[in-house]
Amino acid sequence: EPEVTQTPSHQVTQMGQEVILRCVPISNHLYFYWYRQILGQKVEFLVSFYNNEISEKSEIFDDQFSVERPDGSNFTLKIRSTKLEDSAMYFCASRGDSSKEFFGPGTRLTVL
Amino acid sequence: DQQVKQNSPSLSVQEGRISILNCDYTNSMFDYFLWYKKYPAEGPTFLISISSIKDKNEDGRFTVFLNKSAKHLSLHIVPSQPGDSAVYFCAASDFGNEKLTFGTGTRLTIIP
Repeated sequence: EPEVTQTPSHQVTQMGQEVILRCVPISNHLYFYWYRQILGQKVEFLVSFYNNEISEKSEIFDDQFSVERPDGSNFTLKIRSTKLEDSAMYFCASRGDSSKEFFGPGTRLTVL
Repeated sequence: DQQVKQNSPSLSVQEGRISILNCDYTNSMFDYFLWYKKYPAEGPTFLISISSIKDKNEDGRFTVFLNKSAKHLSLHIVPSQPGDSAVYFCAASDFGNEKLTFGTGTRLTIIP
């Protein structure tokens, strides 16, 4: 069964450093998303991406964040200058024609 | 702004019995609802969904009920199995917005 994959599974970085989280969505999906879950809190929407542009973003998704689909398969989330409060699990999701979003296993980001 | 609420942070159920997980929402624009299951260190896994034109959707051991007037949905699992032990999230969206709004989750423990 096709699945969303994410790398790395765990990323440790120093505050102020840039990180890039990578995702390979399900191949025939056209809609892509990033969510995050801070420990003990709920899963929060960050951004949605369709047709090579951001279609919606949340208040969390400020100028420090960017997304890109550099080729036909990868979908990346970049955080330019990480802060301690960016420590969280980051989930990539994709969907096709239905409203069901399929999630990847997540990347645990730890900012020291 | 908790638009989707799961008021029970945890629930314990005897194996073989029915598990009932509840979810309430406040945004009357929501018209599509999903339940996800999440194991530790994994991404949310889609379980079952329901659109607002229905009041019930069934898939094997899982049934979701929607009461639009009460803005309430529930997930029934019967019979409950040890492998059902996980955190369950309800999520909602409206067709005008792509993002999913998640509840805080209910940790279900099935007691053998």
